[in-house]
Amino acid sequence: EADIYQTPRYLVIGTGKKITLECSQTMGHDKMYWYQQDPGMELHLIHYSYGVNSTEKGDLSSESTVSRIRTEHFPLTLESARPSHTSQYLCASSTGLSGNTIYFGEGSWLTVV
Amino acid sequence: KNEVEQSPQNLTAQEGEFITINCSYSVGISALHWLQQHPGGGIVSLFMLSSGKKKHGRLIATINIQEKHSSLHITASHPRDSAVYICAVRKGGSEKLVFGKGMKLTVNP
Repeated sequence: EADIYQTPRYLVIGTGKKITLECSQTMGHDKMYWYQQDPGMELHLIHYSYGVNSTEKGDLSSESTVSRIRTEHFPLTLESARPSHTSQYLCASSTGLSGNTIYFGEGSWLTVV
Repeated sequence: KNEVEQSPQNLTAQEGEFITINCSYSVGISALHWLQQHPGGGIVSLFMLSSGKKKHGRLIATINIQEKHSSLHITASHPRDSAVYICAVRKGGSEKLVFGKGMKLTVNP
């Protein structure tokens, strides 16, 4: 069973609010990822990190930001939420070994009204 | 055109049927993942393949590197197998995954 946790699972917030989606893993994985997925569509990588103090933007442009101060923690922040940010956000982690299993959190459903 | 294509997009089956889900990709890869996503969003990794075949319980995954094709088979399907099955590839020289759109499977009792 994967030890990767996301909070909140579901959130409805107003336009302009700041929101942080939390992601924590207890497996000691160096690599962590944030994906965005709209209903019925494929996952798109928005941010990734290969270790502490290492963060990169993914393939899909996103107005969110991330930080990686501790190995186990990879929060995603939206400074000013907009309705276009309504989506599911999935956090994942894997070991430093290429091709190893990737573990996903349960996802955070964000609705901006 | 997506680099990872899955077929069919939707499939409805009766309990007990043998099911095959296909995935084709157009890039060089170092690994291919089969993932299962249940309603509510959580994703579970089923298999990671770089060659050949793997089996876990009623699930079998195969990959043909030359043909750039993989299949996921479910034997003796059950309603609890109802989910979206996602194929994802790790492109050669990259750590990032490219995902297919997934195939929604519904198994009726």
